Parts: sequence; structure tokens; C-alpha cells
Amino acid sequence: ETGVTQSPTHLIKTRGQQVTLRCSSQSGHNTVSWYQQALGQGPQFIFQYYREEENGRGNFPPRFSGLQFPNYSSELNVNALELDDSALYLCASSLDSPLEDEQFFGPGTRLTVL
Amino acid sequence: KQEVTQIPAALSVPEGENLVLNCSFTDSAIYNLQWFRQDPGKGLTSLLLIQSSQREQTSGRLNASLDKSSGRSTLYIAASQPGDSATYLCAVRHYTNAGNMLTFGGGTRLMVKP
Repeated sequence: ETGVTQSPTHLIKTRGQQVTLRCSSQSGHNTVSWYQQALGQGPQFIFQYYREEENGRGNFPPRFSGLQFPNYSSELNVNALELDDSALYLCASSLDSPLEDEQFFGPGTRLTVL
Repeated sequence: KQEVTQIPAALSVPEGENLVLNCSFTDSAIYNLQWFRQDPGKGLTSLLLIQSSQREQTSGRLNASLDKSSGRSTLYIAASQPGDSATYLCAVRHYTNAGNMLTFGGGTRLMVKP
């Protein structure tokens, strides 16, 4: 049990729709990162937030956006959904040192785009 | 560009065997390396974190080593059990012009047969 929760567990959307995924980090964890994991592959880094500011972004288009709130919750928003967005979306949190600290992952949200 | 490779992609062993999982990375400028376990359809459970200045970490039947100069890490599992069956992922934390991130390998799917 990592103390990181995600909602919803599963989600089915159709192409072109928008989706919001939520993550709740452990208290005191000021860094949150989001990853996309396609079936049979390792997770791919989407972006990272530190104290409510984006401080890193992987190779994902602008239709992937995020927010981090002062209460250690965060959101991943995806607009104009495409079939290839179907994946497991994972959030991870860590303490104040985003470079050195252990990453704690949530259970993920399984998104299916039809 | 940092690339992480895990060999083998899949492994099947009888219960009780000692085994080694391999992870290699192309850029030795890393902050740390983390090994994770992932059960089917689930999130990631952190097993061991090795800082760049460390050579190894141990937890129970697990031992992970890091040779940063050669870009290699191994995860040693002693006296394997059926409950160890899962996918094992290694990830390196490093800095890019997109910020700092974890880059994952594709994982090793381990099956321990009773």
C-alpha cells in the first residue's frame, strides 16, 4: 500500500471525447508525475508537477495537460481522445527532492478509447 | 537519449531457483535506479531504490546491484517462490531538456512454477 490513490479504476470513452483522471498523493509529497503504459510495454513519462508547477514534460502532445492542487491531489486531462490513448495511466508521487526520492505509484486508471 | 533495456523479456523457472534479471541503460548520467514489480493490470510496487553513489541494495530475498559506469544493474532473487510471479521493471531517473524523469525498460515477465 503506497498511499497513492487514483480514480476511476476503469474508464471507457469514445474517440474525440475528453477525459479527466485523478490522483491523490501522500501528504507531504510535493512532486507528482504521470505515466502512460501501453499493453506489454514499460511506462512512458508524460509530465511532472512540483509544488503546482509543471517542471518536466515528455514527448506527448499539448492535448495532454495536468493540474496539481495544494491538497496533494492532481489531474491528468486528455482532450480529443484517440484510439492510441488506450492505456494504463499511472501517477507517482515523491517527497521534496524529485531527483533522488523514491517514486510511489498508484494502482492506475485503465482507459479504453473506442 | 536514455534507453533502458531489460533481458530476458520473459523467464520461467521452477520454484526454489535463484535467478538474475538484467537491466542496462545507455547514459550513465543518472540520479538513481529503481526496481519495480507489477502484477497483471495493477500499478507498480517499488522494490529497491539505488542512488547513483551506491553499489547495491538489499531487501529480504532481493538484492540489486548498480554499475553506473558500465550502465548495468541486476536484480537477484533468491529461493524464488510462485508468489514472485510478476513483471519486473527497472527505471532510471535522469535529467533531460524536458526535465527530470524516470525512463523504464520494457520489463521481464517472470513465472515461477510450483
